[in-house]
Amino acid sequence: QVQLVQSGAEVRKPGASVKVSCKTSGYTFTNYLIHWVRQAPGEGLEWMGIFKSDIGDTIYARNFQDRITLTSDTSTSTVFMELSSLRSEDTAVYYCAREGVGTWYLDFWGQGTLVTVSS
Amino acid sequence: QSALTQPASVSGSPGQSITISCTGTSSDVGGYNHVSWYQQLPGKDPKVMILEVTNRPFGVSTRFSGSKSGNTASLTISGLQPEDEGDYYCKSYQSSGTYVFGSGTRVTVL
Repeated sequence: QVQLVQSGAEVRKPGASVKVSCKTSGYTFTNYLIHWVRQAPGEGLEWMGIFKSDIGDTIYARNFQDRITLTSDTSTSTVFMELSSLRSEDTAVYYCAREGVGTWYLDFWGQGTLVTVSS
Repeated sequence: QSALTQPASVSGSPGQSITISCTGTSSDVGGYNHVSWYQQLPGKDPKVMILEVTNRPFGVSTRFSGSKSGNTASLTISGLQPEDEGDYYCKSYQSSGTYVFGSGTRVTVL
């Protein structure tokens, strides 16, 4: 069955970086794109970027362009999201979610990873 | 890259119909049919309810329908039920190759 399993909760100090993983299984990795979306406490969903597993390309939201890096390990069908220069406003649940190539919607989500930024 | 505009809250009585709007620009909602809607129930992950403006995924109730006019997409919930209470978000593809979510709408069943 399809699974997107994310790494566990993280706590970081302001200015540090965090790397969250999203291990996928149950489907052909290159047939789906992986989006990253975050949700701050009590707030809405915010799109961060996309890893195009089919061509190995990335596109980032302008708000995160200078701080986000998406990478993958194709041997384990895992996508990584690294966010640098963390500030308190980055405290949020971070989700990975998949989109079938050419379908334009998110059909399966990871369980979310809480990242807390606090001094 | 501002969020698409949604009303903060919409409410209705059981059995009524409600409509949630999602307003963007010609570079996103108005320029493409790649608009989807997501339901997020309390404490749960988002679930897609509508894709490509009007299409319902398998298993989603026919009470949910989508439409678009110009730069505004809409989600209508007919025959409102208590289990529909939660947050709803639109999402659109943008001409820059990025995506953007709406600001979110809290649906309350009175």
